Parts: sequence; structure tokens; C-alpha cells
Amino acid sequence: AQSVAQPEDQVNVAEGNPLTVKCTYSVSGNPYLFWYVQYPNRGLQFLLKYITGDNLVKGSYGFEAEFNKSQTSFHLKKPSALVSDSALYFCAVRDSGTYKYIFGTGTRLKVLA
Amino acid sequence: EAQVTQNPRYLITVTGKKLTVTCSQNMNHEYMSWYRQDPGLGLRQIYYSMNVEVTDKGDVPEGYKVSRKEKRNFPLILESPSPNQTSLYFCASNPGTSDPQGQYFGPGTRLTVL
Repeated sequence: AQSVAQPEDQVNVAEGNPLTVKCTYSVSGNPYLFWYVQYPNRGLQFLLKYITGDNLVKGSYGFEAEFNKSQTSFHLKKPSALVSDSALYFCAVRDSGTYKYIFGTGTRLKVLA
Repeated sequence: EAQVTQNPRYLITVTGKKLTVTCSQNMNHEYMSWYRQDPGLGLRQIYYSMNVEVTDKGDVPEGYKVSRKEKRNFPLILESPSPNQTSLYFCASNPGTSDPQGQYFGPGTRLTVL
């Protein structure tokens, strides 16, 4: 069975500091991994994905994520946080053998000025 | 403009009164999906469709029905809504079924069942 864990309900970071939002996953086949962001009263927006290839993937708004197969992790990172990055972030996984998507419970990022 | 639209955006109804939430995409996407978002539970997939006339259950399909008669539309049907179906619902589409891309999400439908 597929599963995704986002161990932190909330992450606080000062503006200009690097940020990390954690995600670990479990699949039986090869993982397809995604990050989405949700701003207040909005739908989700796609940030980036890992399908295959380079373990470091770059996405929208300066975000990047590192795929670590041995630790089954896909943490979201940004070198310098902005107040406007404050939002709810979701990690998602799809096992390569299915068409079903599993989302994590979300991590609220708060960037403090 | 490429988009996923949902209607209605807000709905208050009573237990047992059948309702349909419509979803339409204008991007000729193969894959469409319905999710519900609940506090502390994140997003959970209700149903998905790989193409016209091809649908399958997600993690929480009980109490819901879907159909995919046209590529652009994927309505969500609640035959007999109950209060535990009060939630925020999102429709999403994806260019390919076999080639996973980022999903495009609609604006959401907030449903309250009294």
C-alpha cells in the first residue's frame, strides 16, 4: 500500500533563512513524487515532481526537492524564504504500478518578517 | 485560459437530497480526479478516471458516484448525502495517465450537509 507522511504540522522560518518541509513515503514499486502549494481559499498549485533521473529537482518559485531513495524521503527546500511563501504545502506520491494518488496531511509554512 | 472549473463553489444541503458537483477542464486532459480535503486528514482521493468511460475508486469512494461520458467533464454525484460528507471538494486533471505530470486543480467546492 502507498502512504505519505508529513511529520510537521507547521514549520516556522524567518524571512531570508533556508526552509525545509519534510516528506517521507512508502510504495511497493517506483515512486512518482510531487509537491503542491495551497494559498488561503485557493486550489492547489503544482510546484515540482520527481519521476526519474536527477535526485535534485527544481520547480516553481525557487523551490527544489531532493529525492532520497534509501531514506524514502522527498523533502522540499528553498535557500531563502519569503513572507509570500507562507502557505499550506502537500506532498503526494503515486506508485508507478497504479493510477492512484496519495497526499500527505499537509504542512503549514509560516515565514516571519 | 487553461483551467479546471467546478460548480457550485458553495453548497448547503440537507441529508438525503441528491446533488451533483460538476467539473470541467478545457485542456483535453486524459486523467481526472476528485478529492476531499478535511482538517488534519489532508487530501484524499475519492475517484479517478483514466479516460472516457474508464473510472476507478480512490481511497474514500463510499457514498459517491462518478461518470466520464465526455473527456472534458467529470461530475461527482452524492446520491444520499450525509453530514460526514461535509467537506471541501477539489476536482483535478492531468495531461496523461501513463506519463505522470502535475495535476491542475479546480477552485474547490465547499459542501455542507445538514
